[in-house]
Amino acid sequence: GAVVSQHPSRVICKSGTSVKIECRSLDFQATTMFWYRQFPKQSLMLMATSNEGSKATYEQGVEKDKFLINHASLTLSTLTVTSAHPEDSSFYICSAKGLDNEQFFGPGTRLTVL
Amino acid sequence: SQKIEQNSEALNIQEGKTATLTCNYTNYSPAYLQWYRQDPGRGPVFLLLIRENEKEKRKERLKVTFDTTLKQSLFHITASQPADSATYLCALGASGNTPLVFGKGTRLSVIA
Repeated sequence: GAVVSQHPSRVICKSGTSVKIECRSLDFQATTMFWYRQFPKQSLMLMATSNEGSKATYEQGVEKDKFLINHASLTLSTLTVTSAHPEDSSFYICSAKGLDNEQFFGPGTRLTVL
Repeated sequence: SQKIEQNSEALNIQEGKTATLTCNYTNYSPAYLQWYRQDPGRGPVFLLLIRENEKEKRKERLKVTFDTTLKQSLFHITASQPADSATYLCALGASGNTPLVFGKGTRLSVIA
């Protein structure tokens, strides 16, 4: 199957700093990528839909000024958590849609805000 | 509102038996349904996609059925192994770029 990578896999930062997470589709082009957040023992929560060359579509309750999404190319989307706080600590996962509607997920990024 | 239910939060079975996981949905007409495996601390791994006009799909020891009348999908793992222990997620999708709608998952434990 198609491969989606995420970088970094783990990040620890101080409260108030910004963190950028990259999501790449390695062997296919993805006009649409999705960003999810997952808290321990809970299901995936969709944060936003990232469309190449246009603004992201955010889910209700997700602050677009806090979670900046940029989808500058067909293989790269980035999520920047601005002014991170301890409550932003979570597991962030991206996914990219394949040609046949399958959705391929990255390995996830564990964010810990101290 | 759309609702997806996976039959149980946790399922324990004996090694070698067939594991059957259920996904039911309401207030939705999906174009396709997908099943994923997720291990702790990892992103979900795509397993199978079945379309609304398909009744059954197989891949190695995996079998998925899709009944749009009952609004239900069954996911079977035959000859289960301890390595199959994981959380399995079902997700419904519509055409276009609408996001998948995920169930909460079933945590499968295969006991040797």
